[in-house]
Amino acid sequence: GAVVSQHPSRVICKSGTSVKIECRSLDFQATTMFWYRQFPKQSLMLMATSNEGSKATYEQGVEKDKFLINHASLTLSTLTVTSAHPEDSSFYICSAPGFGEGNTIYFGEGSWLTVV
Amino acid sequence: RKEVEQDPGPFNVPEGATVAFNCTYSNSASQSFFWYRQDCRKEPKLLMSVYSSGNEDGRFTAQLNRASQYISLLIRDSKLSDSATYLCVVNKGGSYIPTFGRGTSLIVHP
Repeated sequence: GAVVSQHPSRVICKSGTSVKIECRSLDFQATTMFWYRQFPKQSLMLMATSNEGSKATYEQGVEKDKFLINHASLTLSTLTVTSAHPEDSSFYICSAPGFGEGNTIYFGEGSWLTVV
Repeated sequence: RKEVEQDPGPFNVPEGATVAFNCTYSNSASQSFFWYRQDCRKEPKLLMSVYSSGNEDGRFTAQLNRASQYISLLIRDSKLSDSATYLCVVNKGGSYIPTFGRGTSLIVHP
């Protein structure tokens, strides 16, 4: 069964609105989670590292004011895409590192965002 | 040079064929290596970790060459169900932050 749950799996929103995506670790605590974005036929690009109880670490070129990340608890990280535009339409996916298992990475199911 | 590079393919092979993918990485301090499989519009799923001594899991064999900084994945006796994108994943040098290659597309046809 899934160890990282992501919601919603699909969302369509209007330009200018904000969308929140949730990522939950099930049965384990995740002090760190990673948020990726994947455009069609492209690789997963790390957007930011979410740290429980502190600010997220954003990768170069990712606007932190546009992609708000909150990691308020040891089992929940959220990504909010603010003032969404059509070019933000993409596959967003979160992951959390496992421990004691050779650094296995557990992925959420991903969220397809379409901005119209 | 990209941190993790893969030939995007697609590799188009008949059932039963043997196919090999390579992946090169730029950071010599990288410690952890994995192959993930991603089906269309789905999340990646771990296929296998890659160990220094090489490892095998059924029809799949992974190798690591630290000197040349590449890892490989060999698939024997390809099945139709092997059709997917195979992602090379390398931890970001000195940490456990994973970096993904672009992925190699495999199409197995009857």
